[in-house]
Amino acid sequence: EAGVAQSPRYKIIEKRQSVAFWCNPISGHATLYWYQQILGQGPKLLIQFQNNGVVDDSQLPKDRFSAERLKGVDSTLKIQPAKLEDSAVYLCASSLNRGGYEQYFGPGTRLTVT
Amino acid sequence: AQSVSQHNHHVILSEAASLELGCNYSYGGTVNLFWYVQYPGQHLQLLLKYFSGDPLVKGIKGFEAEFIKSKFSFNLRKPSVQWSDTAEYFCAVKPNNAGNMLTFGGGTRLMVKP
Repeated sequence: EAGVAQSPRYKIIEKRQSVAFWCNPISGHATLYWYQQILGQGPKLLIQFQNNGVVDDSQLPKDRFSAERLKGVDSTLKIQPAKLEDSAVYLCASSLNRGGYEQYFGPGTRLTVT
Repeated sequence: AQSVSQHNHHVILSEAASLELGCNYSYGGTVNLFWYVQYPGQHLQLLLKYFSGDPLVKGIKGFEAEFIKSKFSFNLRKPSVQWSDTAEYFCAVKPNNAGNMLTFGGGTRLMVKP
């Protein structure tokens, strides 16, 4: 079974530029998550989708971050404009459904904002 | 909102030593508890989980964890570590009524010396 795919793996941008990350979850997984992991910290949930609908985006900085999962499969996370403090690894995860299902994580995208 | 504390940020052990990593959470209701591991260069993956029943749960690679409700703790243990256990370990909590939203601790980086 193929795992969660993410691209790009690394991205370096200057502050005030925009950037987008892509995630393809495990086939058949209804729930998709985006996490932000700042160096030295644990992952922090940014947004959770159930199929193509947003379940929770309470920790997403909506003035600059946006995410979509239009067809209920793959998803994109965008930052516009980026700030220095956005430097982090952005992890995508998926699970079969909500509730107690195991979350499977992708390799992450390491973003450096200079 | 719930929080998760992992008090040991860095642990260095020799092979065959015993391991115990602390995890405490703050949430008054029923929770599901998880330990995730990230080996160097690899994805986050589930090590073990507790949902209900026997508070002593066994996971992969000889790891186990004990849920002590009165102490709000879910410490990870292994009787004899190996060099291959070198990794970062994350404790995570999900309140029972929170869909599948995980709150992670800050992580503990374990180095096992051969």
